[in-house]
Amino acid sequence: GDSVTQTEGLVTLTEGLPVMLNCTYQTAYSTFLFWYVQHLNEAPKLLLKSSTDNKRTEHQGFHATLHKSSSSFHLQKSSAQLSDSALYYCALSDLSSGSWQLIFGSGTQLTVMP
Amino acid sequence: DAAVTQKPRYLIKMKGQEAEMKCIPEKGHTAVFWYQQKQSKELKFLIYFQNQQPLDQIDMVKERFSAVCPSSSLCSLGIRTCEAEDSALYLCSSSQTEQFFGPGTRLTVL
Repeated sequence: GDSVTQTEGLVTLTEGLPVMLNCTYQTAYSTFLFWYVQHLNEAPKLLLKSSTDNKRTEHQGFHATLHKSSSSFHLQKSSAQLSDSALYYCALSDLSSGSWQLIFGSGTQLTVMP
Repeated sequence: DAAVTQKPRYLIKMKGQEAEMKCIPEKGHTAVFWYQQKQSKELKFLIYFQNQQPLDQIDMVKERFSAVCPSSSLCSLGIRTCEAEDSALYLCSSSQTEQFFGPGTRLTVL
């Protein structure tokens, strides 16, 4: 079945350094990939989405490129800010299912230190 | 931003009691999803409604939960007999395309 893998459970880095959160997936079908961000005591919010191979998508300083050849959708930012500290989820939606049901990864907790 | 509403925000129950939480999806959204989140970590899918009909759910929901969407503007998730392991944040989301989440109901079972 479909699955999403986020290899890092915890990422801690210093403000100003680049961010890269890994996401790989498995699906036999055409799919949308998403990144959601959840700040403490808040609801998850959509950060990025893509279904187009090799096209960079950007929002709020973050970017990701869907690479179907490697089944990856890594989240990147050039310079981390303290406010980026949050829980980040990668998710996929199997378009063949006819619904927008999401398969979530296990999440990566990003902590940015001053 | 889409506005999905959940009530109550906090719920405390004793073991063995019944619990109920409600979700008001974003207007016009035809799909509603429920998730369970423990200790700010993994989002566990519970059940999915499309046009108020349940289309997919995990076994735990079939066995111990009750979930309905009596109208397009209201869904509810209930636990028939609360157990300590049910303590979690219950998130509702709705979608027309991508999913938008409500703030959640935090259930504590004592």
